[in-house]
Order: sequence, then structure tokens, then C-alpha cells
Amino acid sequence: DTEVTQTPKHLVMGMTNKKSLKCEQHMGHRAMYWYKQKAKKPPELMFVYSYEKLSINESVPSRFSPECPNSSLLNLHLHALQPEDSALYLCASNELAGGHQDTQYFGPGTRLTVL
Amino acid sequence: KNQVEQSPQSLIILEGKNCTLQCNYTVSPFSNLRWYKQDTGRGPVSLTIMTFSENTKSNGRYTATLDADTKQSSLHITASQLSDSASYICVVSFQRGKAAGNKLTFGGGTRVLVKP
Repeated sequence: DTEVTQTPKHLVMGMTNKKSLKCEQHMGHRAMYWYKQKAKKPPELMFVYSYEKLSINESVPSRFSPECPNSSLLNLHLHALQPEDSALYLCASNELAGGHQDTQYFGPGTRLTVL
Repeated sequence: KNQVEQSPQSLIILEGKNCTLQCNYTVSPFSNLRWYKQDTGRGPVSLTIMTFSENTKSNGRYTATLDADTKQSSLHITASQLSDSASYICVVSFQRGKAAGNKLTFGGGTRVLVKP
């Protein structure tokens, strides 16, 4: 199984709502990532979890709150978002074996629209 | 500053024709270089991955090359199909240490449109 799944596929929320994005992988990968991607732009790294601990936060606003309940799951909690936060949110994972062949596998993404 | 630059930004080709996409990078220390294919609104899918010791890697009709001396890579698509219409992203990785995961530097992508 070389799949990263994300739910929901689409999400529309108001600026006062609280919602969560979910990501799951069963490849035994020990690193998981959240990226934000605007149209026609490359993905921008938001957070990295390695061994279920937050290892990198790329200065992301606190209205985005990541959570890693276990080694297979990664959540992104959203609260009081702004319209400019509308984007495709991608989850990725990789083995973290330390080898140069280590590849990040991406999920299909959640298309988020903030009204 | 680590950078990855791709050219051209966009490309239109006729079905059945070949094309080559370019990627130049200044990432250091270099770990590996990958080419991803991304359909609109979908997550990137890995096509090839090459370390500094590899010159070429193929995946079906996709062939990637790497020149670590000049820090250039190319992706060649042979006998293009309509389903090849997508963005192709060159991504260079360096390792921040085993506990910190890979740090990926993304190119801006080349949008390929294959016309019948």
C-alpha cells in the first residue's frame, strides 16, 4: 500500500468556523508533512512531524494547528481562517530511513475555500 | 539561497510528439532530485528519483537525466499522450538530519498541454 489518503476532498468554511483536515498513511512512514499550495504555485511547507513529534513549523499562523495522534494519522485543525487561506492542502509522508532514495508520497489534497 | 528553476513555464505539444523539460538547481547539500507529475487540483505523483551518483532514470515514457556537476536535470517525455497534460515539478531534496525529515525545494513547474 503506497497511498496517502486525505479527507475531506473539498471543504467550504466561514471565517468563524472550526474544521479539521485529516491525513492517513499505512506505509510505516515516520515523517508526515502538511503543505499549502496556491493555484499555479509550488507547494509550500507548513509543518513536519517526525516520530510523531513536531519537528518543523515554517512560521505558520496559529489559526492552523497540527496534531499527530499516532504514527499513521496527521490532522490539521483550522480556526478563524481568512479568505487568503483558500488553497489546496497537501499531506505527504516518507520513511525517514536516512537514505538518499527516501521519497515523499503525497496525498490527493483537500481543496479548502474560506468564505 | 536554495533555488530550483524550471523551463519552460508552459508547453503545448501535439499528441505523439516528444518534449524535454529543464530544471536547474542551486540546492546544497544535495540529497536527491525528483520529478513529480501533478494533475490540476490533485497531489503530486512521483515519476523518478535520482541521487547524485545517477545520470539517468526511466519510468515508462518518462526519462530523467541528472548532471550533478552542472546542477541540471531534464525530463524527457516520449510519444506524448493526452493524459500527459499536467504540471511537472522538479524537486530537490537535502536532508536536515534524520529526525528533521527531508527539506524539499520545489521548482515552479512546467505546465504541459498535449493536444490531439
